Amino acid sequence: EDQVTQSPEALRLQEGESSSLNCSYTVSGLRGLFWYRQDPGKGPEFLFTLYSAGEEKEKERLKATLTKKESFLHITAPKPEDSATYLCAVRSGSNDYKLSFGAGTTVTVRA
Amino acid sequence: NAGVTQTPKFQVLKTGQSMTLQCAQDMNHNSMYWYRQDPGMGLRLIYYSASEGTTDKGEVPNGYNVSRLNKREFSLRLESAAPSQTSVYFCASSARTGGLTEAFFGQGTRLTVV
Repeated sequence: EDQVTQSPEALRLQEGESSSLNCSYTVSGLRGLFWYRQDPGKGPEFLFTLYSAGEEKEKERLKATLTKKESFLHITAPKPEDSATYLCAVRSGSNDYKLSFGAGTTVTVRA
Repeated sequence: NAGVTQTPKFQVLKTGQSMTLQCAQDMNHNSMYWYRQDPGMGLRLIYYSASEGTTDKGEVPNGYNVSRLNKREFSLRLESAAPSQTSVYFCASSARTGGLTEAFFGQGTRLTVV
């Protein structure tokens, strides 16, 4: 069974204070790792797809990286508008039809 | 471009009542999904439709049925609602299933069963 674990559960940052979120996974043949952002009362919004160990993707203040066992979402010099829950999901060879999600990390950025 | 649209946004049901959650996408996607989201548990797949005319069970299908009405629409039905089905329900779509294909989500339906 695919397992996705995100840490920490919650992260409080001061504006400008860079930090990283972790997503560790155990799957049978990774087919893709996905990062989503979810604002309160909204649906998840797609951010990045990663596939190969060593791969990196960037969007504004966010950078996602991937190793064979985990992914990191780095938030550089965050702003209050980066406050959200960040979700990690994987597709695997044994469950290629679905995304298996972690429980998420809730990030709060104070001005 | 609306993306994925879900109706209703909020619903309160009494135990034993039935209802259908509606979902439509305008991205010409082949695959559609229903997830539920509960605190601390992440999103879990209820049912999915890889393409028009097909539906399959996900990891938590008990108590639910689905209909892929056409390429655009995928509905989720609760025949006899139970308090354990109190959750936020999300519909999603993707160009196809599998691999690196990202899924796009609707805004959710918050369902409370009393």
